[in-house]
Amino acid sequence: EAGVVQSPRYKIIEKKQPVAFWCNPISGHNTLYWYRQNLGQGPELLIRYENEEAVDDSQLPKDRFSAERLKGVDSTLKIQPAELGDSAVYLCASSSGTSGRDTQYFGPGTRLTVL
Amino acid sequence: AQSVSQHNHHVILSEAASLELGCNYSYGGTVNLFWYVQYPGQHLQLLLKYFSGDPLVKGIKGFEAEFIKSKFSFNLRKPSVQWSDTAEYFCAVISYSSASKIIFGSGTRLSIRP
Repeated sequence: EAGVVQSPRYKIIEKKQPVAFWCNPISGHNTLYWYRQNLGQGPELLIRYENEEAVDDSQLPKDRFSAERLKGVDSTLKIQPAELGDSAVYLCASSSGTSGRDTQYFGPGTRLTVL
Repeated sequence: AQSVSQHNHHVILSEAASLELGCNYSYGGTVNLFWYVQYPGQHLQLLLKYFSGDPLVKGIKGFEAEFIKSKFSFNLRKPSVQWSDTAEYFCAVISYSSASKIIFGSGTRLSIRP
């Protein structure tokens, strides 16, 4: 079974530039999560999708971050414009249930560096 | 505010030593509990989980964890560590009363001396 796929693995941009991350969850997983992990910290949830619907985006900085999950499969997370403090690893995860309490399977992450 | 605490930021042990990593959370009510591990250069993987039933949970690679509800704890243990256990370990909690939002601890880096 293929795992969660993310691309790119690494991205270096200058501040004020836009950036986008892509995630393809495990086949059949209805719930998709985006996390941000700062150095020395655990992952922090940004947004959770159940199928196409964003059911929890309370932690997403909506002035510069946006996400979509068209057709309820893969998803894109965008930052525009990026700031120095956005440097982090962005993780995508998926789970098979829709309760939000199921085991999550993580992708390898995208390491973003904003200069 | 709801939180998950991992008090040990970096633990250094010799091979064959016993391991216990602490995890405490501040939620009340029903919780689901997880330990994830991140080996160097790899992605986060589930080590073990507790949803209900026997509070002593066994996971992969000889790890186990005990849920003590009265202490709001879910400590991870292994009787004899190996060099290959070198990794970062994250405790995570989902509270049924917090809209099922998962909260991760800040992680414990485990270094095993060969």
